[in-house]
Order: sequence, then C-alpha cells, then structure tokens
Amino acid sequence: GEDVEQSLFLSVREGDSSVINCTYTDSSSTYLYWYKQEPGAGLQLLTYIFSNMDMKQDQRLTVLLNKKDKHLSLRIADTQTGDSAIYFCAESQMTTDSWGKLQFGAGTQVVVTP
Amino acid sequence: SQTIHQWPATLVQPVGSPLSLECTVEGTSNPNLYWYRQAAGRGLQLLFYSVGIGQISSEVPQNLSASRPQDRQFILSSKKLLLSDSGFYLCAWSAAGDTQYFGPGTRLTVL
Repeated sequence: GEDVEQSLFLSVREGDSSVINCTYTDSSSTYLYWYKQEPGAGLQLLTYIFSNMDMKQDQRLTVLLNKKDKHLSLRIADTQTGDSAIYFCAESQMTTDSWGKLQFGAGTQVVVTP
Repeated sequence: SQTIHQWPATLVQPVGSPLSLECTVEGTSNPNLYWYRQAAGRGLQLLFYSVGIGQISSEVPQNLSASRPQDRQFILSSKKLLLSDSGFYLCAWSAAGDTQYFGPGTRLTVL
C-alpha cells in the first residue's frame, strides 16, 4: 500500500476552516511537505515542516506534526474558492546516494462551496 | 530566482510514434532533476531522476527513457508510444536532495 495516506475528498464551505490529514510511515523523514495542484497545472509548494518541529504557521496555513503517531495535518483558515484544488502530502526519504526521494500521498481533492 | 520550464504544454500523438518532452531549469547549477507521471487517478509516479549530466536512474521499468545532455536540461523520450503512456508528465528540480519544485507539466494523449 501507500507509504503516505490521505483521505481522497474534502468539501468545505467558503469562510470555514479546512483540515487535511495525512499519515506517513518513515520515521526517519527529515521534511514533510504540502503541495497544491490546481486543474491542469503543476504542483505548487505550499509549505513544509522540519521533522523536529510540532507546528508551523504561515498566514492562513497551519501545519501540525505529530511524530509519535506519524500524522501530519494542514489547516487552511477562512477557506476561499481559490483554495479548491488537490493537496498532496509528501515525506522526504533520503537515499544512500542522497538524491532526496519524495514519497507522495494520492492527494486530497478539496472543493470549496459558496 | 529559479524557474522551470516544460514543453510542449499539450501533445496528442498516435500509438507507435516517438516522443520527446523537454524540461529546462534556470537560475541554479547542478540541480537534481526528476520526471514524474500523473495518471488519471491522481497519484504521482516517479519515473526517472538525475543527479548530474549523463547520470540517469530509473525508478520503474517502462517504455520511456530519459537523458540529461546539459546541466539544466532533462529530456523524456520514447521510441514508440503506447496507449498507456497517456498522462500528465511533470518535471521537478531540487538543490542536492532538498525541496522539489515542479514545472507546469505536459499533458500527453496517445490515441
């Protein structure tokens, strides 16, 4: 199965908070990432958190990391229609030749309704 | 600042025809480069990565090949396309194994 798991779909009303959850398996991951993909576009890096941190806040985005449970979440405050997209969680996995592999989840489709 | 380009943006090709997709990065030197494929089911599959000119590693066996003729140029090729090669192809770069930054992607449809 997937090393990184996410729920596939989230519906949220405009103005509410969105919370996207992710679980990962590699306890040695140094960084964990959130990417956003709008229709027909590439992946846009939203934010990342170093594995020795519990929380990171960046404007409307809050990332929470529970290393014990290997659980990562992304909270979007005051969700807007422009936040409708697919959100990917990814964990870094350093390889023996140090090229930095990212293991992605399948993505969570977020739909924001008026 | 660094930018990453991919072309073409969209491509429709018949089965059995060759393929060449190009990715270039500006504003950085000796990047790690990656090719991913995203099928309709959304998941990202890593196809190839490169840590330097002429150094290509393949993650999965397939009908595709990759080359890196210059430091900031990464090419994805096929001699004969299959229907199953259809998908959204994404190129990414990173600085020595750090955060990966993605290009705009190429939508390939094989008919």
